[in-house]
Amino acid sequence: AQSVAQPEDQVNVAEGNPLTVKCTYSVSGNPYLFWYVQYPNRGLQFLLKYITGDNLVKGSYGFEAEFNKSQTSFHLKKPSALVSDSALYFCAAYTGGGNKLTFGTGTQLKVEL
Amino acid sequence: DTEVTQTPKHLVMGMTNKKSLKCEQHMGHRAMYWYKQKAKKPPELMFVYSYEKLSINESVPSRFSPECPNSSLLNLHLHALQPEDSALYLCASRPTTGARNTEAFFGQGTRLTVV
Repeated sequence: AQSVAQPEDQVNVAEGNPLTVKCTYSVSGNPYLFWYVQYPNRGLQFLLKYITGDNLVKGSYGFEAEFNKSQTSFHLKKPSALVSDSALYFCAAYTGGGNKLTFGTGTQLKVEL
Repeated sequence: DTEVTQTPKHLVMGMTNKKSLKCEQHMGHRAMYWYKQKAKKPPELMFVYSYEKLSINESVPSRFSPECPNSSLLNLHLHALQPEDSALYLCASRPTTGARNTEAFFGQGTRLTVV
């Protein structure tokens, strides 16, 4: 079965430190992978995507993600976390013939002073 | 304009009421989606419209009735809901269905409370 997994329910990091939010995938064919962020009581905002090419993808708000085919991972990273980065992060991929956006279970990121 | 606009932002309805949620986009997208999201959980797909035709219904109860009157507008009609239907309802759009490399744009959601 095609799926996206986020192994950590919550990640805590101090402001100014680097952050990593983990995602692994199991999809058929070429993997097209996405990261979204959700602030409380808001919709999902697109951060970045991997289609093909460079394994390091740069996105919005200083976020980047590293695609690793051998480890089937697509981890979200930021060199220096901000308190305002605290939010719920979802990794996603299309399954079911490209019509259904399947999400991971989400990771709550908490950045503390 | 890269926005998906949902109205209303908040809705409280009784179990015998009929109400509608509205979603609008002017990006020329021909694929539109309804998702339901419970707190701290990932969005769950409800319906997919492709070129104004319903292409996916994820076995959603008939008390939820979608409608796509034109390429810019998506409605979700609600009738005889249950308290467990209380959730954030999200609308999304993207250029077409089938292309797995295009991101979806989400609206801000309607927070629905059924009393």
